[in-house]
Amino acid sequence: DAEITQSPRHKITETGRQVTLACHQTWNHNNMFWYRQDLGHGLRLIHYSYGVQDTNKGEVSDGYSVSRSNTEDLPLTLESAASSQTSVYFCASSEYRVSEAFFGQGTRLTVV
Amino acid sequence: TQLLEQSPQFLSIQEGENLTVYCNSSSVFSSLQWYRQEPGEGPVLLVTVVTGGEVKKLKRLTFQFGDARKDSSLHITAAQTGDTGLYLCAGFAGGTSYGKLTFGQGTILTVHP
Repeated sequence: DAEITQSPRHKITETGRQVTLACHQTWNHNNMFWYRQDLGHGLRLIHYSYGVQDTNKGEVSDGYSVSRSNTEDLPLTLESAASSQTSVYFCASSEYRVSEAFFGQGTRLTVV
Repeated sequence: TQLLEQSPQFLSIQEGENLTVYCNSSSVFSSLQWYRQEPGEGPVLLVTVVTGGEVKKLKRLTFQFGDARKDSSLHITAAQTGDTGLYLCAGFAGGTSYGKLTFGQGTILTVHP
């Protein structure tokens, strides 16, 4: 079955370190998204991509970057982790010209 | 920036009771989706409503899209403990921004036996 996989599921890192969260989907979807989820804020869009070599900033992109070198993967990099980036991160994908998204299981990141 | 206000944020009820969750905005959305999320999992799509005034039913869950496509509601009849979870509404603005969603803050529903 097609799926979307995030790794790691849990990570603790120190302030100032670079961290990369992986997202891999086997749906062959063109569209991929990264959201962060914080209590009281729902999910907020960080970055998104509509295809290989395409990346766009979302609502809360400062301090984050993504790259899309193939259809299946959209890794999210925190350039210099800050305590404010402690959150649960979700990757999602959707078909071209479709609004409904499929979500991964999330990565809980703690920055100490 | 489009915003979705979801209420209530917390809901604690007894099994068998009915409940309604609301999702409101001052902006018009092309479509609105409802997701359910279990602890430790990602959101899972329940339904998408597209047409103003549209009503969709999913067993004991009834979803409605407002006539002006600015608001939506989720009504659960005779809640069960298995309905416990986080419910999220998400709006799609339309145009070419496919999959780019604006989420409400979520409603944490707890159904007690």
